[in-house]
Amino acid sequence: DTGVSQDPRHKITKRGQNVTFRCDPISEHNRLYWYRQTLGQGPEFLTYFQNEAQLEKSRLLSDRFSAERPKGSFSTLEIQRTEQGDSAMYLCASSELAGGPTDTQYFGPGTRLTVL
Amino acid sequence: RKEVEQDPGPFNVPEGATVAFNCTYSNSASQSFFWYRQDCRKEPKLLMSVYSSGNEDGRFTAQLNRASQYISLLIRDSKLSDSATYLCVVNEGHSGGGADGLTFGKGTHLIIQP
Repeated sequence: DTGVSQDPRHKITKRGQNVTFRCDPISEHNRLYWYRQTLGQGPEFLTYFQNEAQLEKSRLLSDRFSAERPKGSFSTLEIQRTEQGDSAMYLCASSELAGGPTDTQYFGPGTRLTVL
Repeated sequence: RKEVEQDPGPFNVPEGATVAFNCTYSNSASQSFFWYRQDCRKEPKLLMSVYSSGNEDGRFTAQLNRASQYISLLIRDSKLSDSATYLCVVNEGHSGGGADGLTFGKGTHLIIQP
């Protein structure tokens, strides 16, 4: 499978615990995005990398959230001291830098987080 | 980031009928536009890009009206398999104050009935 992959697919945790999600983009895609989606809403942009550089962070990304893409390939999203409001589907997408905003973003299957 | 608005539905449509969705966006400097399809508990998948000249892909036709800032999607001869949530998506590019994160509407839920 050469699509975007995410791990784990499901995560159940207790409030206050830390969780980490991984995203593997499509090979050679140099742009990687994280989104969050709650029930009945469209995905909301969280942050974006071009290669290893984190170029933009949404105001939704509180200081409990941190994302990395150390080698410009896979990325991790960590949530510290989880809260019930963090329960959502966390989606990763990647695109190939072709020089403009029309680059198609391809989404992974998501990690569904439930905070008890 | 600015808003993308669409009627959440649900739209209940008999099989074989034609159905149309509209979506409005508030950032007049938005640069590219898409329709994504999302099945229940699955990831969004690109259905089609939307161009000012309009574009068609089989039973699906998308239109963009920049002056009125709305985007439309028309589905002809609807199939049971078209049942899904259709997400209107805008890329504000650097005009949105950032890079290329997409701004999604909440989605329109379509149910095709046999």
